[in-house]
Amino acid sequence: GAVVSQHPSWVICKSGTSVKIECRSLDFQATTMFWYRQFPKQSLMLMATSNEGSKATYEQGVEKDKFLINHASLTLSTLTVTSAHPEDSSFYICSASPVEASGNIQYFGAGTRLSVL
Amino acid sequence: AQSVTQLDSQVPVFEEAPVELRCNYSSSVSVYLFWYVQYPNQGLQLLLKYLSGSTLVKGINGFEAEFNKSQTSFHLRKPSVHISDTAEYFCAVTDSGGYQKVTFGTGTKLQVIP
Repeated sequence: GAVVSQHPSWVICKSGTSVKIECRSLDFQATTMFWYRQFPKQSLMLMATSNEGSKATYEQGVEKDKFLINHASLTLSTLTVTSAHPEDSSFYICSASPVEASGNIQYFGAGTRLSVL
Repeated sequence: AQSVTQLDSQVPVFEEAPVELRCNYSSSVSVYLFWYVQYPNQGLQLLLKYLSGSTLVKGINGFEAEFNKSQTSFHLRKPSVHISDTAEYFCAVTDSGGYQKVTFGTGTKLQVIP
């Protein structure tokens, strides 16, 4: 149980285009989903916290107009990287916290590697 | 606010030898503690968690960790490692009072040598 699906796993795009990444909780409902960015050989950096039906909460230094987050249902959150540039190339990981879970447990997707040319 | 320190960025160990990955945290309140494993180009998988109760926590793949409140540590151990344990391991902490974001350490690369 507690499976989180993230799609696509790898995407290559041209500079200036937008890319959408989906995060789905397959066998549980998640009121809260999280989006992280991971640079090579580094830890996860929390970008934003996404709550179903409300606006996402962004961490300091993360551009909300650049990284659009939508959490339309209890099983789906999307991250759109708008007008992507090479510096946006990174590994993006989502996680979801089950409604009934205690201890702030998060279950992670497999990640999306974004390469902007 | 809380923080996590993983002092060892890399830990090489021979196959079938024991291993300990160190994790220290700081927080002004009670905490929940986690260890996650990340294989190359994949997301994170929960190894084990400490929420309350027994300070010795057993997880998947033969790993265990011990919560030591006085030393603010949550070291991860395995008595005999396998090649398949080669991965990045992250320690994480969150405040136990309601929903709070999780703070991750910088990770420890465990390299099992055949």
